[in-house]
Amino acid sequence: DGGITQSPKYLFRKEGQNVTLSCEQNLNHDAMYWYRQDPGQGLRLIYYSQIVNDFQKGDIAEGYSVSREKKESFPLTVTSAQKNPTAFYLCASSMIYGADYEQYFGPGTRLTVT
Amino acid sequence: AQKITQTQPGMFVQEKEAVTLDCTYDTSDQSYGLFWYKQPSSGEMIFLIYQGSYDEQNATEGRYSLNFQKARKSANLVISASQLGDSAMYFCAMREEEGATNKLIFGTGTLLAVQP
Repeated sequence: DGGITQSPKYLFRKEGQNVTLSCEQNLNHDAMYWYRQDPGQGLRLIYYSQIVNDFQKGDIAEGYSVSREKKESFPLTVTSAQKNPTAFYLCASSMIYGADYEQYFGPGTRLTVT
Repeated sequence: AQKITQTQPGMFVQEKEAVTLDCTYDTSDQSYGLFWYKQPSSGEMIFLIYQGSYDEQNATEGRYSLNFQKARKSANLVISASQLGDSAMYFCAMREEEGATNKLIFGTGTLLAVQP
C-alpha cells in the first residue's frame, strides 16, 4: 500500500535536546512538506522540498532544519533553538507539476518537550 | 497576502441532516485552488474535495459538495446526510500560485459534532 509514514507517533524530549522526526513516502511524489499544528490553529508550513537535495523555508522555519537526500525521505530536526517545540507535526507529499494535486498527509508525530 | 478564514470554531448537526461549513479566502491571484480536509481525532489529514478557480461547476465528491462563490470569495463545504463518523475538525485550504510550489495555506478549522 502506498502512503506516508511518520515515526514515532508520540515523542518526548527534555528541553535543550535536538530531536529528529521521520517522514517516508512511497507514493513517488516529488514534493514533500512539514507542517506544525498547535491547538486551536490551522497548519503552518515549516519547510518544503520539491526535489532531492533542495528545500525551502516555510512560514515558521526558525529553530528547525531538514534534509532531502532521497526522494522518499524528508526528516525534520527540531533544534534546541526552537522556543516552543511542543506541537503536533505533520508531514505531507504531493505531485508538483500541474499543481492541482492534493497533498497526502502522514499520521503525524506529537512532540512533547519538558 | 493570501488568507483563509473559517469563522465557525464549532458546529453541531443532527445525524442525517445536512451541514454547511463556511470558508472565505483572500487572494489577488486569478488562478488558485481551494481544498477541504478532514482531521479526525487520530490526527491524520484526509483530503475531501478540490475546487479550481476556473472551474465553472461546483465540485462534488459523494456526500461532499463545495459551494463556490467566486465573487464573494467563499468556498463553503456542504456535507449531506451527516453521519456519526463525520465528527471531526474540518480545514479549508488554498493553494498558492507563487512559484507553482503547491504550498497550501490553511484556515483555523471548524470542529463538527454529529449528534445521534
